[in-house]
Amino acid sequence: QKEVEQNSGPLSVPEGAIASLNCTYSDRGSQSFFWYRQYSGKSPELIMFIYSNGDKEDGRFTAQLNKASQYVSLLIRDSQPSDSATYLCAAAINFGNEKLTFGTGTRLTIIP
Amino acid sequence: DGGITQSPKYLFRKEGQNVTLSCEQNLNHDAMYWYRQDPGQGLRLIYYSQIVNDFQKGDIAEGYSVSREKKESFPLTVTSAQKNPTAFYLCASSNRARLYGYTFGSGTRLTVV
Repeated sequence: QKEVEQNSGPLSVPEGAIASLNCTYSDRGSQSFFWYRQYSGKSPELIMFIYSNGDKEDGRFTAQLNKASQYVSLLIRDSQPSDSATYLCAAAINFGNEKLTFGTGTRLTIIP
Repeated sequence: DGGITQSPKYLFRKEGQNVTLSCEQNLNHDAMYWYRQDPGQGLRLIYYSQIVNDFQKGDIAEGYSVSREKKESFPLTVTSAQKNPTAFYLCASSNRARLYGYTFGSGTRLTVV
């Protein structure tokens, strides 16, 4: 079983709609969670991180964490063509270990 | 400006040749990491180092070697023992990754010719 799982997609969303990206993790001891955006041929860039249960909003992005269900999501409101990218979910799996474990990513395409 | 620099951007390797990928950071980060990404795939950890003069193998260390003689530098050597080295290589650094995540370099694309 993979430690961090994502639906690989592709996920197609019309421009202006809400894109919803999901991630599950297997280790209940996971401390913190990160969403990275990666454009084709480029390196990942950090969009958001979340530590506590509930929602965290930053502009058009909202991260949601439910530790009981071991579920993390990223919502992108008012989706733009520039949001088309692969989104990587990452988790700090082991307490005291500074390594992140990455999911395989979800490819998102915003349709104009 | 602080950042993490990888070089070269593109690298071509002949069969049986060792090549070294450079990674330098001026963020004063303690930890550095090397990942490999294949087309359509996630990131796989090759090696990581949390302090100078110490490093640990990741999930796919075979055919690779690293050194960490300076805090700022974490070069990766792809040896001839790595049979399928064509990939996109990403270097990252962090201070307290559990809290702040990683900062990534721009990557090196290695191709075997």
